[in-house]
Amino acid sequence: DTEVTQTPKHLVMGMTNKKSLKCEQHMGHRAMYWYKQKAKKPPELMFVYSYEKLSINESVPSRFSPECPNSSLLNLHLHALQPEDSALYLCASSRPGQNSPLHFGNGTRLTVT
Amino acid sequence: SQKIEQNSEALNIQEGKTATLTCNYTNYSPAYLQWYRQDPGRGPVFLLLIRENEKEKRKERLKVTFDTTLKQSLFHITASQPADSATYLCALDIINNAGNMLTFGGGTRLMVKP
Repeated sequence: DTEVTQTPKHLVMGMTNKKSLKCEQHMGHRAMYWYKQKAKKPPELMFVYSYEKLSINESVPSRFSPECPNSSLLNLHLHALQPEDSALYLCASSRPGQNSPLHFGNGTRLTVT
Repeated sequence: SQKIEQNSEALNIQEGKTATLTCNYTNYSPAYLQWYRQDPGRGPVFLLLIRENEKEKRKERLKVTFDTTLKQSLFHITASQPADSATYLCALDIINNAGNMLTFGGGTRLMVKP
């Protein structure tokens, strides 16, 4: 088991639904990340939070809305998604700054119908 | 544009042999490079980090080299075992005070046959 917990493990949603993905870590890491991974592809960075502030947004469509309520939690709110948004969504955390390995959760497998 | 390439999508080797995986990059000047292992349906797991001023790093049966002139890192698994079968990802970071901006290569699927 990893030290980064993601819920739910699987999610199926329609294009008109609103849902949220949740991520939690208790390692005291002050940087948290959302990555998206399609089948047989590498993870692609979506968002970076540093000290609970959004510091990097890799031109992600507004139908994905991140939120960092405190230093342990990271949410990804989903609305009006498209079938091509179906993927594995990975959360990660690290110490901020250089030379810090990322600790990943096992992801949420999202299917948009 | 910046690019990270791993030498092959898949690599099959016999148990006990040394697996060598390659990561090449262009248009980067990374301060350091990381290697991760990913099993199906799970998140990547950090293995090793090597800095630009380090030539080689070892951890148990794993060895990583980093050649900033060739813009290449090699990842070796000695005495490979079937349990080493997984996808291995290299990742580069851009120095950024806002947080780590790791970009991953496409990965190499390693299959170790008994």
